[in-house]
Amino acid sequence: AQSVTQLGSHVSVSEGALVLLRCNYSSSVPPYLFWYVQYPNQGLQLLLKYTSAATLVKGINGFEAEFKKSETSFHLTKPSAHMSDAAEYFCAVSNQAGTALIFGKGTTLSVSS
Amino acid sequence: EPEVTQTPSHQVTQMGQEVILRCVPISNHLYFYWYRQILGQKVEFLVSFYNNEISEKSEIFDDQFSVERPDGSNFTLKIRSTKLEDSAMYFCASSGNGNTEAFFGQGTRLTVV
Repeated sequence: AQSVTQLGSHVSVSEGALVLLRCNYSSSVPPYLFWYVQYPNQGLQLLLKYTSAATLVKGINGFEAEFKKSETSFHLTKPSAHMSDAAEYFCAVSNQAGTALIFGKGTTLSVSS
Repeated sequence: EPEVTQTPSHQVTQMGQEVILRCVPISNHLYFYWYRQILGQKVEFLVSFYNNEISEKSEIFDDQFSVERPDGSNFTLKIRSTKLEDSAMYFCASSGNGNTEAFFGQGTRLTVV
């Protein structure tokens, strides 16, 4: 069975600081990994995805994530936080196209000026 | 840009009533999904639908729930006899053939009173 663990339900950073949101996964087969962002009262928007190509994946809004098989991790980073980055971030895993996404519990990112 | 559309955005219903949540997936997509998010909790998979039949479902998706693609564009989730614990945000999603990521709608907030 697949699972996702997001360490830290709430992360607070200052504007301009590094953002690091942690995600570890468990999967018996090579995984597909995703980060989604949810702004208040909105749906889920795909930030980036890993599908067995390059291990460093670049996404929208300056975010990137690195797949590390040895650590079963897929942490999300952004070099410099912006106020508009404040949102809920979800890591998710699936095992092939067309199958269910299994989500982590989410991390709320707060950005202060 | 193509998007997944859900209606209504908010539905209030009395316990025991039937509700139908509606979704229009992205037009050339082949896989359709329903997820739910109880307030403050993670996004949970309910069901996936492909080739006019359920391809996968979670243990949450019991006999109270059903899905249907009544025509070439709509995808519906029916909850037969709503319970208080069905109150949640329900997200529809779709993905294309071979695409690994799902595109989500804005959600329908269901409140059972």
